[in-house]
Amino acid sequence: DSGVTQTPKHLITATGQRVTLRCSPRSGDLSVYWYQQSLDQGLQFLIQYYNGEERAKGNILERFSAQQFPDLHSELNLSSLELGDSALYFCASSRTGESGNTIYFGEGSWLTVV
Amino acid sequence: AQRVTQPEKLLSVFKGAPVELKCNYSYSGSPELFWYVQYSRQRLQLLLRHISRESIKGFTADLNKGETSFHLKKPFAQEEDSAMYYCALGGMRFGAGTRLTVKP
Repeated sequence: DSGVTQTPKHLITATGQRVTLRCSPRSGDLSVYWYQQSLDQGLQFLIQYYNGEERAKGNILERFSAQQFPDLHSELNLSSLELGDSALYFCASSRTGESGNTIYFGEGSWLTVV
Repeated sequence: AQRVTQPEKLLSVFKGAPVELKCNYSYSGSPELFWYVQYSRQRLQLLLRHISRESIKGFTADLNKGETSFHLKKPFAQEEDSAMYYCALGGMRFGAGTRLTVKP
């Protein structure tokens, strides 16, 4: 158990809908990362937050947004969903968010768009 | 530009054979490199980080700045090593991954 908690574990929704994925980082970790893992694209970094502020942005679509709350949990919002958004979404956390920190991954949220 | 390249998508070896998973990186500063392992689409787990220079589950990896490589090696592969392996540069640059299959 990495200490990073993600909910829901599985989610099925229709095209055009909006979903929210939630993540609680490890106790004491200030930085949260979101990744998308699809069959054909591998692991793609989406966005990083540190202590409530956006720190780095990767290949995140405009239809997607995220935030980190004062209690350090984070949410990833996916809207106007398309079939191609079906993927495993990972959240991860690290102590300070510096590049040398070890990143601990959650179990992921499986999103299926039908 | 920061980039991580894992040239092999698939790698298959027999049990007991040596295995090497290749990773090359592109980074202008001092790289922070990691290897993560993922079993059956579960969460990624840290396997190694270059600064620790330790061996986990028999795996080692040496940073070669001249060749900009951080290859993962194990002298005798086991069936339970079958998994997806990702090389990462910091937290944001992951290679495409190599699926290792160890055959009995």
